[in-house]
Amino acid sequence: EAGVTQFPSHSVIEKGQTVTLRCDPISGHDNLYWYRRVMGKEIKFLLHFVKESKQDESGMPNNRFLAERTGGTYSTLKVQPAELEDSGVYFCASSQGPEKQYFGPGTRLTVL
Amino acid sequence: GQSLEQPSEVTAVEGAIVQINCTYQTSGFYGLSWYQQHDGGAPTFLSYNALDGLEETGRFSSFLSRSDSYGYLLLQELQMKDSASYFCAVRSQTGANNLFFGTGTRLTVIP
Repeated sequence: EAGVTQFPSHSVIEKGQTVTLRCDPISGHDNLYWYRRVMGKEIKFLLHFVKESKQDESGMPNNRFLAERTGGTYSTLKVQPAELEDSGVYFCASSQGPEKQYFGPGTRLTVL
Repeated sequence: GQSLEQPSEVTAVEGAIVQINCTYQTSGFYGLSWYQQHDGGAPTFLSYNALDGLEETGRFSSFLSRSDSYGYLLLQELQMKDSASYFCAVRSQTGANNLFFGTGTRLTVIP
C-alpha cells in the first residue's frame, strides 16, 4: 500500500512569491488533513477535508492560504503571497477514521 | 484554550524502560494519540486511547486516565532506533478529526 506522498520535499522562495504544495493521500482515505510545524514548536492543525469538502479550516492562519481538494483525491495548499513567518514543515495526513492518521514526509518551506 | 504538556527531553539507556507523560487541558476530549517522529521523517502513529486503561502493542504501551487528564507512553526494551521525538495529541472536538499536538519529547537512547 502506497503511503501519503507530498511534493515538493523542499521549497525555497522569496517573500512575496507564491508556492503550491501538493499532497496525495492513501487511496480510499476520505479524510485529508494539513498540518504545519514551525521550527521547534508543536505540529499545528491547519484544515481537514472530507472528500472534496472542507470539514474544518479553523487552523488556517489567514487568507493568504488556500487549500483545495480536487475530486476528493489529491489536495493542494497554496500560499500567496508568502511571508517570512510561513517558513516551516507542512505535513499532510490522511485517514479512514479519526483514530489513526497517516502522515506524509512533509514539505519543508523556507521563505527568504 | 487547549494545552498539552510533555517533557521536552528524556535520556535513557539501551535495554531500559522509559515513560513519557502527557497532561492535557481541552474543552472536549475524544481520544489521546501518540506519534513518533525521527529527524526529517513523517510522524508515525503509535497508539490511540479513547477509554481509560492500558493499551499494549509490542514494546510500546499507552495509558490514559480521563479523570486526571493524563496519559503516558511506555517504551520497553529500548533500542537505539527508538531515539526520536514523541508527540501526544488530543482529538478534542466532536465531529472533527483534527489533532491538537503537544510540543514533543525528544528521546535519546544511549548505549
